Amino acid sequence: DSGVTQTPKHLITATGQRVTLRCSPRSGDLSVYWYQQSLDQGLQFLIHYYNGEERAKGNILERFSAQQFPDLHSELNLSSLELGDSALYFCASSYGPGNSPLHFGNGTRLTVT
Amino acid sequence: AQKVTQAQTEISVVEKEDVTLDCVYETRDTTYYLFWYKQPPSGELVFLIRRNSFDEQNEISGRYSWNFQKSTSSFNFTITASQVVDSAVYFCALTFSGGYNKLIFGAGTRLAVHP
Repeated sequence: DSGVTQTPKHLITATGQRVTLRCSPRSGDLSVYWYQQSLDQGLQFLIHYYNGEERAKGNILERFSAQQFPDLHSELNLSSLELGDSALYFCASSYGPGNSPLHFGNGTRLTVT
Repeated sequence: AQKVTQAQTEISVVEKEDVTLDCVYETRDTTYYLFWYKQPPSGELVFLIRRNSFDEQNEISGRYSWNFQKSTSSFNFTITASQVVDSAVYFCALTFSGGYNKLIFGAGTRLAVHP
């Protein structure tokens, strides 16, 4: 168990809808990262937050947004969903903003129908 | 640009065989970090190892060992005496100093260990 908690585990929704994925980092970790794993793109970095502030952005679509709250949990919001957004979304956490090892949650599997 | 190549898409072995998973990386940074992660059938990503670019010592952890060679830009992973529980997808990843853990992942190697 990595200590990173992601909810829900599975999410099935329709095109055009909006969903929110939630992540609680390991106790003491200040950084939260979101990654997307899809069949065609593999594992891709989406966004990084450190202590409530956005630190880095990757290949995150404009329809997607994220935030990290004062209690350090994070939410990834996906809107105007398309079939191609179906993927496994991982949250990871680390203590610092640098290159300490990332510990990943179990992921949220999103299926858009 | 940074890139990680795992040329082996799938490997199939019989239990107790040794198996090596290849990882070749590209980066122009002098300080960088390499990682291996395991993704078992249950789907989670399990951290195995992190290595920085200044530490070329090979590492052994039980049946797992890693061979880092800067001269060939490779960071290979060997499982000795493989077991069925080793069946998983293994990912090699790279980030650079100041990269804020923006990991660049390889495509992964699916390892199937048969009894």
